[in-house]
Amino acid sequence: NAGVTQTPKFQVLKTGQSMTLQCAQDMNHEYMSWYRQDPGMGLRLIHYSVGAGITDQGEVPNGYNVSRSTTEDFPLRLLSAAPSQTSVYFCASSYAESGANVLTFGAGSRLTVL
Amino acid sequence: GQQVMQIPQYQHVQEGEDFTTYCNSSTTLSNIQWYKQRPGGHPVFLIQLVKSGEVKKQKRLTFQFGEAKKNSSLHITATQTTDVGTYFCAKGNYGQNFVFGPGTRLSVLP
Repeated sequence: NAGVTQTPKFQVLKTGQSMTLQCAQDMNHEYMSWYRQDPGMGLRLIHYSVGAGITDQGEVPNGYNVSRSTTEDFPLRLLSAAPSQTSVYFCASSYAESGANVLTFGAGSRLTVL
Repeated sequence: GQQVMQIPQYQHVQEGEDFTTYCNSSTTLSNIQWYKQRPGGHPVFLIQLVKSGEVKKQKRLTFQFGEAKKNSSLHITATQTTDVGTYFCAKGNYGQNFVFGPGTRLSVLP
């Protein structure tokens, strides 16, 4: 199993450009989520999904869109990038079982917005 | 804002010294998890605590969950350079927000 795969690993954007961060998992996890990590801020939840067709907002959803058309994929879209979105983004997934709270993280995507 | 707080924010220790990080919540927790993130890496799950007063050990790491289930601690005995990284506590249940503390960054001087 590859676990949680994120692409790209690095990306530089200009203000106003759009892009999609890809996240795929092969563990049949129903729960998937996106976090951003900024220095001194820890990990902040952007959006999450408990299954295909279901998404919900986390702590910092503004400027980001998500969709969940399949169990495996959970892409994160930036429609109009802003310098404030410069960050490291992590995708994470978990089993859909009561008490199974372990998050498996991808390797991360480092985004710079100029 | 942060619903889970951690102290200290940074800790520098000499190799062989002990290290402790504390996690505090204003509300009662159903569980607490601990993750470790190596420099340049991604968070990796260490352990989950569920019961009041629970203590779990992983080699030199000791994890405790407070009696009131509002705080937790991670203690490392005789730190090694391999312990370097940021330690996060997190709360959450499947289907809900997983909320992470801001983390404690540990540096170990050889």
